[in-house]
Amino acid sequence: GAVVSQHPSRVICKSGTSVKIECRSLDFQATTMFWYRQFPKQSLMLMATSNEGSKATYEQGVEKDKFLINHASLTLSTLTVTSAHPEDSSFYICSARWGFTEAFFGQGTRLTVV
Amino acid sequence: DQQVKQNSPSLSVQEGRISILNCDYTNSMFDYFLWYKKYPAEGPTFLISISSIKDKNEDGRFTVFLNKSAKHLSLHIVPSQPGDSAVYFCAASGRTGNQFYFGTGTSLTVIP
Repeated sequence: GAVVSQHPSRVICKSGTSVKIECRSLDFQATTMFWYRQFPKQSLMLMATSNEGSKATYEQGVEKDKFLINHASLTLSTLTVTSAHPEDSSFYICSARWGFTEAFFGQGTRLTVV
Repeated sequence: DQQVKQNSPSLSVQEGRISILNCDYTNSMFDYFLWYKKYPAEGPTFLISISSIKDKNEDGRFTVFLNKSAKHLSLHIVPSQPGDSAVYFCAASGRTGNQFYFGTGTSLTVIP
């Protein structure tokens, strides 16, 4: 299947700092990228959907000023967690699709805010 | 509002037997359904999908069945293997919505 690379896989940051997570589609052009958050023993919660060159669409309850999403090209989307707090610690996963095919997922990023 | 539901949080099956994972959805606009497998601390891996124009899709040991009238789909794994032990998510998508909606997952344990 198609490859989606997410980086970094793990990051520890201090409270109040910002963290950027990258999501790249390596062998296809992603018309749409999705960002999810997974809490322990819970499902994947969709945070936002982004289409290349346009603003991300955030799900209800997700702070757009805190979780900045940029989809600058057809192969790259970034999620920046700004002014991180311990409650932002979670597993963040991106996925990408082209057209109306299945979505392919990155490996996920474990964020720990101390 | 959970549009995709997996009512069984866990399932245990003996190796070699059939595993049946169930999923229900509420939105009649969904027309594309997928199953993903997920190991801890990893991203989900795509397993198999089915379009609403079909009622069955088979790929090796994995078969997905879709019952549109009941808004229900199921994943059959036969024979089950210990390496199949993971959390399985079903997901649904509609052509007008673009995003995927995931169920809460079913943790499958295949006992050797």
